[in-house]
Parts: sequence; C-alpha cells; structure tokens
Amino acid sequence: QKEVEQNSGPLSVPEGAIASLNCTYSDRVSQSFFWYRQYSGKSPELIMSIYSNGDKEDGRFTAQLNKASQYVSLLIRDSQPSDSATYLCAVNRKAAGNKLTFGGGTRVLVKP
Amino acid sequence: EAGVAQSPRYKIIEKRQSVAFWCNPISGHATLYWYQQILGQGPKLLIQFQNNGVVDDSQLPKDRFSAERLKGVDSTLKIQPAKLEDSAVYLCASSLGRFSRNTEAFFGQGTRLTVV
Repeated sequence: QKEVEQNSGPLSVPEGAIASLNCTYSDRVSQSFFWYRQYSGKSPELIMSIYSNGDKEDGRFTAQLNKASQYVSLLIRDSQPSDSATYLCAVNRKAAGNKLTFGGGTRVLVKP
Repeated sequence: EAGVAQSPRYKIIEKRQSVAFWCNPISGHATLYWYQQILGQGPKLLIQFQNNGVVDDSQLPKDRFSAERLKGVDSTLKIQPAKLEDSAVYLCASSLGRFSRNTEAFFGQGTRLTVV
C-alpha cells in the first residue's frame, strides 16, 4: 500500500464548475497535510495546508480533512483554465522528523 | 524573503559521468529535503536533513548518490556514476523544522537532469 494515494486523472471539469480532488494516506499518526499545485515544467507550489479535522477555506480553495477515515480532499470552486495543473497531496509526520511524503498527483484540466 | 535557490537549472551528462546539484534553503529553515521527480510521477524523497544531520535517507541509492549539508545551511547532492534512469528533476525544499508548529515546505525551481 502506498503511503499517499491519489487518482492520477485527468480530471476534466468545465470552466466555472467545482473540481473535487481526493487523497488517502496510510499512516494514521500523520499530522500535517498539504496541497501543492504544479504546472508543467515548474516546481510544486504550496496552495493549502490543513492540520485539524474539518474544512479550511482560502479563496476559491477548500481543503477538507478527516483523520478517522484517513483522507484529505481539495475543492476548487469556479474553476478557471489557469487552474489546469497537477495537484499533489503531501502528508507530514512530525514524529518521523517531519518526513514529507507525496502522492502521485492528480492532473486537472479545466475546459473553457 | 528569498526563496529556495538551486543550481544548475539544467544538466546533460553521459551515463557513468558524475554530477552535483546545489541548494540554498530559505534563511532560518532547519529542515532541508531532496526529492527526485520522474516525469508523470510525484516527488520521491531521497534524503532529509535537520540542520546538518540526516533524518531520513531510506530511499537514497547509496551506491551512487550522496548528499551533505555542511554547517546546516547549503546542501549538495551528488550522483556518481549516473545511469540513464537517473534522468529526472531534482527538487530541493526547506521548512522551519521539527520544533516548529509550522511544517510548510517550499520548493526551489529544481534541476532537470538528462542522462544520455
């Protein structure tokens, strides 16, 4: 079982719609969770961090964390063509010295 | 605030040659990560430093890869000898460290390595 799993996609959404991305992780004691956006040929860019159960909103992005079910999700509202990218889920385990493990990423395509 | 600096941006070498990458983390960041990202995959952790000590190097191919972080600031990652399958982007990231509540990590621009 992979430590962090994501559907590779591509996830195709029409412009203006909501994109929903999911991520599951295997280590129950993971403590910090992150979403990164990566454009083709560029390095990952941090867009959201979440540390406790529930929802966290930042602009058009909402991260949701459910530690009991070991999943974290990202919602992108009012999707724009500029949101087309690969979204990487990352999980940090502080007890392991802040080891930061990434999933394989979900490619999102927003169609005008 | 300056970000994570990496050099070179691109490198093309022949198999069996050696290559070195350099990373300068964000000032004050105690944790430094080196990742390998193969096209179409997520970043794979190669080695993680806390100051100048190694925290995790379980996925570092130690027969050919080495890394150091002298003085707990800059770091170098070396490959010797390179193989074709080492062609990838090598990403450096840094974060405040294990004793901080904020564990957000920030990436440099990466070094794209092509082994021919």
